[in-house]
Amino acid sequence: AQKVTQAQTEISVVEKEDVTLDCVYETRDTTYYLFWYKQPPSGELVFLIRRNSFDEQNEISGRYSWNFQKSTSSFNFTITASQVVDSAVYFCALSEVNTGNQFYFGTGTSLTVIP
Amino acid sequence: DTEVTQTPKHLVMGMTNKKSLKCEQHMGHRAMYWYKQKAKKPPELMFVYSYEKLSINESVPSRFSPECPNSSLLNLHLHALQPEDSALYLCASSQELAGTSNEQFFGPGTRLTVL
Repeated sequence: AQKVTQAQTEISVVEKEDVTLDCVYETRDTTYYLFWYKQPPSGELVFLIRRNSFDEQNEISGRYSWNFQKSTSSFNFTITASQVVDSAVYFCALSEVNTGNQFYFGTGTSLTVIP
Repeated sequence: DTEVTQTPKHLVMGMTNKKSLKCEQHMGHRAMYWYKQKAKKPPELMFVYSYEKLSINESVPSRFSPECPNSSLLNLHLHALQPEDSALYLCASSQELAGTSNEQFFGPGTRLTVL
């Protein structure tokens, strides 16, 4: 079973629009960590954020914000006032403390920001 | 220095060749990873080294042979590859093994083509 689901395969928005990327996860662990990574066309995966399962506070970093809701097992990512440089594939990932060392990636959402 | 470097950036090899991919980090991280990523797919874990010892081998064919000469270096030796092995090979490192709070930092990858 897929532990991390990113239902949106591809999204296109016009520059300056806001866009939300969805991430739904599945785990039985009480202690786990969620991550978002950005992969631009150059290929390198860039770490954006880590959130642990005990901290449901939403976080804002510039134009980026994250909404973590344990009740719905979701960790959504919003880009405000999107820019062309935001065009990339975005991966959500889960790691579980008690069930080994593996990083579970979602299938990714390809975001295209049109100028 | 929060950088993971990988060489070469691109590699084209025949099925009878022997080549090596190299990865280096100077962040003092004790866990290092090899991932394989096909186009439009998430990274797939291949190997994990923890404190220079192989910790995880995700049933990778023996034509891929990892090596960790010291805590900063990780190699992937390639021999008798198949065309379906063509992919982006990503190296990553984290402070300790994933499964704790430690985010993984990724290198830019080596784009491998097997003819």
